Amino acid sequence: SQQGEEDPQALSIQEGENATMNCSYKTSINNLQWYRQNSGRGLVHLILIRSNEREKHSGRLRVTLDTSKKSSSLLITASRAADTASYFCAMDTGGFKTIFGAGTRLFVKA
Amino acid sequence: GAVVSQHPSRVICKSGTSVKIECRSLDFQATTMFWYRQFPKKSLMLMATSNEGSKATYEQGVEKDKFLINHASLTLSTLTVTSAQPEDSSFYICSASLLAGQLGTTGELFFGEGSRLTVL
Repeated sequence: SQQGEEDPQALSIQEGENATMNCSYKTSINNLQWYRQNSGRGLVHLILIRSNEREKHSGRLRVTLDTSKKSSSLLITASRAADTASYFCAMDTGGFKTIFGAGTRLFVKA
Repeated sequence: GAVVSQHPSRVICKSGTSVKIECRSLDFQATTMFWYRQFPKKSLMLMATSNEGSKATYEQGVEKDKFLINHASLTLSTLTVTSAQPEDSSFYICSASLLAGQLGTTGELFFGEGSRLTVL
């Protein structure tokens, strides 16, 4: 399969709660990236974590990477209604090819 | 920096016609661009890698004659859906990658806003 796997497929939470999304992949990677997509729009890059890094923060975002388990997680703290979107992990496997996960649709209720 | 513009954002056409979608890098030169197709509520499926001045590299299962890709300059790649059929209706997105360090980037992809094609 071209895709990595993400879970959950969909997540509905209240504003102020934390949202956690997980991503698993099968091949070795150079880095893993997380993107956000609002409905009907292009993707926006959120954060990149390299294969030799284990955790990275950016504002309300926290990303972890476990290369031994081939998995990553994205945590959004203190979620807001404006965080409602689809979130994709993307694996850089080298050779200019980036493989996208199936995505998690997040809905934050005001 | 690193802005990618995609045009048109929406297009409706009749079956049998050809549709061209443009992807431009506005403030950088992109030697490599990527074209994706996205079905509703699904992930991005890589269709092809577009290399400036050479033939595109297509993914398995993507018809080269159906989806023509041209990367004639360092700032423009085009995707032409030839003899479009209703099953070609989809959301098409392009992206460009920069080498880590260019424009202060870290190797991530920059995406256009996507083009929604509807074939009647």
